[in-house]
Amino acid sequence: QLQLQESGPGLVKPSETLSLTCTVSGGSISSTSYYWGWIRQPPGKGLEWIGSIYYSGSTYYNPSLKSRVAISVDTSKNQISLRLSSVTAADTAVYYCARHRVATENFDYWGQGTLVTVSS
Amino acid sequence: QSALTQPASVSGSPGQSITISCTGTSSNVGSYNLVSWYQQHPRKAPKLMIYEGSKRPSGVSNRFSGSKSGNTASLTISGLQAEDEADYYCCSYAGSSTLVFGGGTKLTVL
Repeated sequence: QLQLQESGPGLVKPSETLSLTCTVSGGSISSTSYYWGWIRQPPGKGLEWIGSIYYSGSTYYNPSLKSRVAISVDTSKNQISLRLSSVTAADTAVYYCARHRVATENFDYWGQGTLVTVSS
Repeated sequence: QSALTQPASVSGSPGQSITISCTGTSSNVGSYNLVSWYQQHPRKAPKLMIYEGSKRPSGVSNRFSGSKSGNTASLTISGLQAEDEADYYCCSYAGSSTLVFGGGTKLTVL
């Protein structure tokens, strides 16, 4: 059974960089059929796609966040990572990683999510 | 990239049918048959309910169905049950390898 687990600091200071890791177990991150994505959800609000990465390292970002986002992949560790720079309180959210199916453009497996709060 | 438009809330009684709309533009919903729908219960991760507009993943009840007309996609839940009470989100491919979500709809089962 595929499982995704997000990890990283739960508290980040304004203007600093948010860094999260997603570890995939029960399947290979190097599958040609899938991207691996990050989605976030501010408290009480809706979902926002941040970006996705292919095992080869090709990345696709939400245009509204592109200038601050970097997603990377480590196939040896079966992990993807998210870096979001110059954070503000508006970046406070639950951050999910999810498997993003290439052919059908949907997220079929999700991690449980991790809350990141931006505060001094 | 603006969010897709969903009603903030819908409600229905057990056994009834409800429909949630998801309105986009000719740049996303209208151009691709790549709309997906997600169910999210409180404090839980979203769950895929419909993909490619009308297809159900294995294990999802056939009470859930999806359709599209022009720039608007729809999710219909028939035979409403108490456990269907949740938030529902649509998501569409928007070209250039980007995706956009709807604002979400809270379904209340009366």
